[in-house]
Amino acid sequence: AAGVIQSPRHLIKEKRETATLKCYPIPRHDTVYWYQQGPGQDPQFLISFYEKMQSDKGSIPDRFSAQQFSDYHSELNMSSLELGDSALYFCASSLKEGRANYGYTFGSGTRLTVV
Amino acid sequence: KNEVEQSPQNLTAQEGEFITINCSYSVGISALHWLQQHPGGGIVSLFMLSSGKKKHGRLIATINIQEKHSSLHITASHPRDSAVYICAVSNSGGGADGLTFGKGTHLIIQP
Repeated sequence: AAGVIQSPRHLIKEKRETATLKCYPIPRHDTVYWYQQGPGQDPQFLISFYEKMQSDKGSIPDRFSAQQFSDYHSELNMSSLELGDSALYFCASSLKEGRANYGYTFGSGTRLTVV
Repeated sequence: KNEVEQSPQNLTAQEGEFITINCSYSVGISALHWLQQHPGGGIVSLFMLSSGKKKHGRLIATINIQEKHSSLHITASHPRDSAVYICAVSNSGGGADGLTFGKGTHLIIQP
């Protein structure tokens, strides 16, 4: 079965550079979530999108932005990268029906290293 | 903001033992997730439940909404079960809310 696809798997950037992470949800899923997990930390919610509109916002820095496109894939854009942005970035997708979310599935993550 | 507490933080057991990991939360939720993460690896969703009990192979998850408590059980544990098990909750708003995660339980099953 198709899973949530994230690209790239690994990314190395220098300070002050920009990075773009991509997430392709499970087919027919309409909701995408982004999470950040620093070394030895539990994941933190960044932002979510439902039907291409921002739905919920967590601890996403102002230097980051994200969007969901017409094909439901999402991109997380990160600018002016800092050493502290080094983390594993997870994407998840689900199908929202009423108040419930079905099929909540995580991608394998993109490991970003800022040097 | 929901507070999610897991116990124990660390657990080492012998192969074959019955394992229980507990999770409690402070505010009403729409769903609770049990997740598995291997060192340096991605997150795998084990269960998503909003009431009752679910079973998948050797894994069983239960939730008590009134007590705001959930448990994950592993029967006949095996070294390949060694991983971090994370409890995460969705708020009861019913939107595309992000999950709030517990700190995780580091489980080691020794042969």
